[in-house]
Amino acid sequence: QIQLVQSGAEVKKPGASVKVSCKTSGYTFSNYGITWVRQAPGQGLEWMGWISGNNGNRNYAQKLQGRVTMTTDTSTSTAYMELRSLTSDDTAVYYCARGGGYADYWGQGALVTVSS
Amino acid sequence: DIQMTQSPSSLSASVGDRVTITCRASQGISNYLAWYQQKPGKVPKLLIYTASTLQSGVPSRFSGSGSGTDFTLTISSLQPEDVATYYCQKYNSVPKTFGQGTKVEI
Repeated sequence: QIQLVQSGAEVKKPGASVKVSCKTSGYTFSNYGITWVRQAPGQGLEWMGWISGNNGNRNYAQKLQGRVTMTTDTSTSTAYMELRSLTSDDTAVYYCARGGGYADYWGQGALVTVSS
Repeated sequence: DIQMTQSPSSLSASVGDRVTITCRASQGISNYLAWYQQKPGKVPKLLIYTASTLQSGVPSRFSGSGSGTDFTLTISSLQPEDVATYYCQKYNSVPKTFGQGTKVEI
């Protein structure tokens, strides 16, 4: 069955970086993109960007440009999202999901808490 | 950027009621629209894509319609397990923005 399994919860200090992994299985990784979505506490879904599982093409949300990097490791069918210069506004659950358009399978989410 | 506006922001209905949620795009997006359901404390779940195609395994009481700028999600007979927040998302171009969500209560 198709699964996306994310890394665990993280607590980071302001100014630090975080890297969330998303290990996929059950499908051909290169046939689908990976979308990253985050959700701040009590808030809605925010599209962060996506990366192709084939050629590494990617697009990021304008507000995150310069702070976010999405990568893939096709040898392990794993996607990564790194966010730098964290502030308290980055406290959220971070989701990876299969698909570059709509997202049909989702990871379980990774809570990132930014606190001094 | 194209904005996605959902209405209402929340609603309360009775079991068995027909419920309609609207999503409006600030510019035309053809039929590149998806709907998701997120139950409290859970991961979002894809319900509908290309505006009206039901995702496999989703109950047939859910349906979607629309094209261009105006879209609707309809629950034909509301069930207790449908308590959730529903989001639309455009995916014709980046950014693939979500609507702000509609909270459905019984």
